[in-house]
Amino acid sequence: NAGVTQTPKFQVLKTGQSMTLQCAQDMNHNSMYWYRQDPGMGLRLIYYSASEGTTDKGEVPNGYNVSRLNKREFSLRLESAAPSQTSVYFCASSENDGTSTDTQYFGPGTRLTVL
Amino acid sequence: TQLLEQSPQFLSIQEGENLTVYCNSSSVFSSLQWYRQEPGEGPVLLVTVVTGGEVKKLKRLTFQFGDARKDSSLHITAAQPGDTGLYLCAGDKDSNYQLIWGAGTKLIIKP
Repeated sequence: NAGVTQTPKFQVLKTGQSMTLQCAQDMNHNSMYWYRQDPGMGLRLIYYSASEGTTDKGEVPNGYNVSRLNKREFSLRLESAAPSQTSVYFCASSENDGTSTDTQYFGPGTRLTVL
Repeated sequence: TQLLEQSPQFLSIQEGENLTVYCNSSSVFSSLQWYRQEPGEGPVLLVTVVTGGEVKKLKRLTFQFGDARKDSSLHITAAQPGDTGLYLCAGDKDSNYQLIWGAGTKLIIKP
């Protein structure tokens, strides 16, 4: 099993350009998440999808949109990239069986630089 | 304001030494998790603690959840270079899918 896969691994954008980050999981998990990680700030939740067909805003959703394409795939779109969006982006998934001990499984990350 | 404060932010020690890192909050959590992240990779779960006062051991790593479920510690005995990484704690506050993450402790174990 590949677990959680993300593409691309690296990306450089100019201010104002758009792009979509792709994420897929093969663990039949119900929930999927997009985080950004910045130095000294830990992981911050951008958007999450509790189950197929639903999406909700996290802590820092401004400037981003998401699509839960099916149970496997959850994409993150930057419509007009800004230098403040330079970060490492992680996708994660979890079974979400209703308990409080849900484990999140992370992809390898996408390193995005906006010039 | 970080809801989960991790300390120290950075720790560099020699192989064989013992160490403890902390994850503190003024809020109560229903559970708390510790993840380890290596450079260029995503975090990987080490342990989940659920009950106040709970102690879990994973080989040389000992995790403790505070009695009031507001804080946690990770103790490593006889640290090895393979323990190097960023240690993150994450708390489940309201069970609404949103974990609260600490900023992490960057640990370097020198051979």
